[in-house]
Amino acid sequence: QVQLQESGPGLVKPSETLSLSCIVSGGFISNYYWSWIRQPPGKGLEWIGYIYDSGTPYYSPSLKGRVTMSIDTSKNQFSLRLSSVTTADTAVYYCAREDSPYWGQGILVTVS
Amino acid sequence: EIVLTQSPATLSLSPGERATLSCRASQSVSNYLAWYQQKPGQAPRLLIYDASTRATGIPARFSGSGSGADFTLTITSLEPDDSAVYYCHQRISWPLTFGGGTKVEI
Repeated sequence: QVQLQESGPGLVKPSETLSLSCIVSGGFISNYYWSWIRQPPGKGLEWIGYIYDSGTPYYSPSLKGRVTMSIDTSKNQFSLRLSSVTTADTAVYYCAREDSPYWGQGILVTVS
Repeated sequence: EIVLTQSPATLSLSPGERATLSCRASQSVSNYLAWYQQKPGQAPRLLIYDASTRATGIPARFSGSGSGADFTLTITSLEPDDSAVYYCHQRISWPLTFGGGTKVEI
């Protein structure tokens, strides 16, 4: 059974960089698209972007310029960095394998 | 960017009734549409993918239909545990997008 687990700081200061990792267990990271999705408190889901195992990322235009994704196939994990954060970036951040039922449990990141 | 519009915003029904949720895309997404269920404090759960294929372990009460730009999620014989927010999601076109959600109250 594939499992995903997000990790990273739960509190980030405004203007700093949010950094999260997602470890994939129970399956290989290769040959799939790996997504980051976020959900501000009380609001809907927003797709941030995804990355393929070759390392080619695709970012949402609304966040482009601030988002960087990377993947480490040797560690079976992928990462998200979001720079110059503001309070509007406060959200639960999920990692997921695109086109699959496999999602992490989510991690609340507060910008304050 | 493909915009997904879900309706209604809220649906209040009784146990045993049938729920019909709509998702309309601003342009064709072929059948590359999925439906997710989300309960408070939980990650979204995949119900339907490719418009009409139930994910593993999803009860037959949940069914998806449609193609192109108009899609429907039907939940027959509602149970109290079906109370949740339901989202549609398209993966045919970058950036991927989600609908705004339909809240189902039982």
